[in-house]
Amino acid sequence: GENVGLHLPTLSVQEGDNSIINCAYSNSASDYFIWYKQESGKGPQFIIDIRSNMDKRQGQRVTVLLNKTVKHLSLQIAATQPGDSAVYFCADSSGYSTLTFGKGTMLLVSP
Amino acid sequence: EAGVTQFPSHSVIEKGQTVTLRCDPISGHDNLYWYRRVMGKEIKFLLHFVKESKQDESGMPNNRFLAERTGGTYSTLKVQPAELEDSGVYFCASSRDRGYGYTFGSGTRLTVV
Repeated sequence: GENVGLHLPTLSVQEGDNSIINCAYSNSASDYFIWYKQESGKGPQFIIDIRSNMDKRQGQRVTVLLNKTVKHLSLQIAATQPGDSAVYFCADSSGYSTLTFGKGTMLLVSP
Repeated sequence: EAGVTQFPSHSVIEKGQTVTLRCDPISGHDNLYWYRRVMGKEIKFLLHFVKESKQDESGMPNNRFLAERTGGTYSTLKVQPAELEDSGVYFCASSRDRGYGYTFGSGTRLTVV
């Protein structure tokens, strides 16, 4: 698939576990952060976003945490399901500029 | 609403040939972006249109790449002549507001042999 050769870090979990995917960004001026899910053969799909004036935001089964001090972003998925298996990317931008993507993490969920 | 549509989904061409990728954004989205992921690399920005104008083309790798968005609707990305290192997946995204609310297409997988 298209992820061959990327040497993505992989997180393997059991169905029902909570998953935590981490991301480091480099631009201290970034003020907008997004998590994307990408399934094979599809484009990045929006999961959740957060602006720099917040440190936590919750969605349905997902939570994003932002630590601006260490330039770190995490995505927590509660009660992970096999359908959550995909590659997850963080992306950031500053001042409505274009997105800078992270390398991605492959999440594998076993039934 | 219909999503962002990209065509073709796959393209295999020989080195030196020309390929044109097409992106149809969501209707009403003035902002259109091209990104690509080449083998072993992250997804990287290529350029950004606001309506028919190029707002930022700082990510275009060289003059073999030409993007157009005549009339401010669909966009094309032409690679001429294609080189082996151009192989990868080319994504298009659109948004109503700049820098927010992106919707990505499924991408065009380009293979140059």
